Amino acid sequence: ETGVTQSPTHLIKTRGQQVTLRCSSQSGHNTVSWYQQALGQGPQFIFQYYREEENGRGNFPPRFSGLQFPNYSSELNVNALELDDSALYLCASSLDSLGDEQFFGPGTRLTVL
Amino acid sequence: AQRVTQPEKLLSVFKGAPVELKCNYSYSGSPELFWYVQYSRQRLQLLLRHISRESIKGFTADLNKGETSFHLKKPFAQEEDSAMYYCALYNQAGTALIFGKGTTLSVSS
Repeated sequence: ETGVTQSPTHLIKTRGQQVTLRCSSQSGHNTVSWYQQALGQGPQFIFQYYREEENGRGNFPPRFSGLQFPNYSSELNVNALELDDSALYLCASSLDSLGDEQFFGPGTRLTVL
Repeated sequence: AQRVTQPEKLLSVFKGAPVELKCNYSYSGSPELFWYVQYSRQRLQLLLRHISRESIKGFTADLNKGETSFHLKKPFAQEEDSAMYYCALYNQAGTALIFGKGTTLSVSS
């Protein structure tokens, strides 16, 4: 059984640029959730995708968007990057969308200069 | 509003000492609570879940609805317990985990 994988591991961008982060869910999982973890903080929920549809969204602006593909892998896109977007972005997958255990990936470290 | 508070940023104990990591929550109804752990250079992983009532690696946590707390306890700390610990609960919709800011546990010999 393969765990959750994320790419890339690290990324450096400049203000105003756009970025795409990728996540492969654990085998058999149809739900992917994305979290942002700023330094010294706990993870903060961005949104969740269930069977290719957005299934809940946290308090993040529309320039944070996502996709889920038929194989349940997912992308997180961030447009018009700001310095405060610098963080660790975590992807988590679960068997189902409601109240199930979430399995986390290693994260992508994004630095915005 | 749903919220998780972990009042201690850092907890330092000696090996063999008891450990209690505090977690308080704000939630309307019956929360579904978790403790996640992150060891050095490893990913975030589930330590225990309120509904399973299991003891993992010697850790237990009891839900106290009166005090709205879900403290994590272990009677005798080991050096390998050194890690970052996050308390979390599911939002009302059951889709998003709401995390506390985390407590770093440092166990020294």
